[in-house]
Amino acid sequence: QKEVEQDPGPLSVPEGAIVSLNCTYSNSAFQYFMWYRQYSRKGPELLMYTYSSGNKEDGRFTAQVDKSSKYISLFIRDSQPSDSATYLCAMGVGSQGNLIFGKGTKLSVKP
Amino acid sequence: GAGVSQSPSNKVTEKGKDVELRCDPISGHTALYWYRQSLGQGLEFLIYFQGNSAPDKSGLPSDRFSAERTGGSVSTLTIQRTQQEDSAVYLCASSLVRANTGELFFGEGSRLTVL
Repeated sequence: QKEVEQDPGPLSVPEGAIVSLNCTYSNSAFQYFMWYRQYSRKGPELLMYTYSSGNKEDGRFTAQVDKSSKYISLFIRDSQPSDSATYLCAMGVGSQGNLIFGKGTKLSVKP
Repeated sequence: GAGVSQSPSNKVTEKGKDVELRCDPISGHTALYWYRQSLGQGLEFLIYFQGNSAPDKSGLPSDRFSAERTGGSVSTLTIQRTQQEDSAVYLCASSLVRANTGELFFGEGSRLTVL
């Protein structure tokens, strides 16, 4: 089992839909959870950052971490065509080790 | 200020040739990372620099791959005797602190195609 599992999609939704993106992981030592967004032919950029369990909201985006289930989610409300990108989850263990990335989920929001 | 700059943006080479990829991180960022992104494979960690030293080279896939960083700034990733399986996008990222607790800033990548 890979340390981080993420469904690559592609996921296609109509404009205005609520999008749910998810990752599961196996390493219970992960403490830092991030979502990066990557537009085509660009580098990834940090979208959301969460430490330990709980929810974090930023505008139309909500990140959830459930450490008991080893499951993290990113919700996008009122999705827009400009949200069309690949979304990568990433996780880390404090000051040791490196960020481990999921494979990314390709999202397409149709007008 | 400028973001992370990578060159070349595209490189086509023949199997067996050596290639050098360059990364110029954000000024003041002490941590620098190289990742490889292949189609359908996500981001694969290659090497991490703190200043000029590389405490973690665990991701380098073979001894054909090497990297150095000079002056705590520019880094070069060298691939010797390239193989077709080396074809990928090579991404460089920098951060103020080790990325587990901080944000990684990525460049746009160097797309390598080995014929």
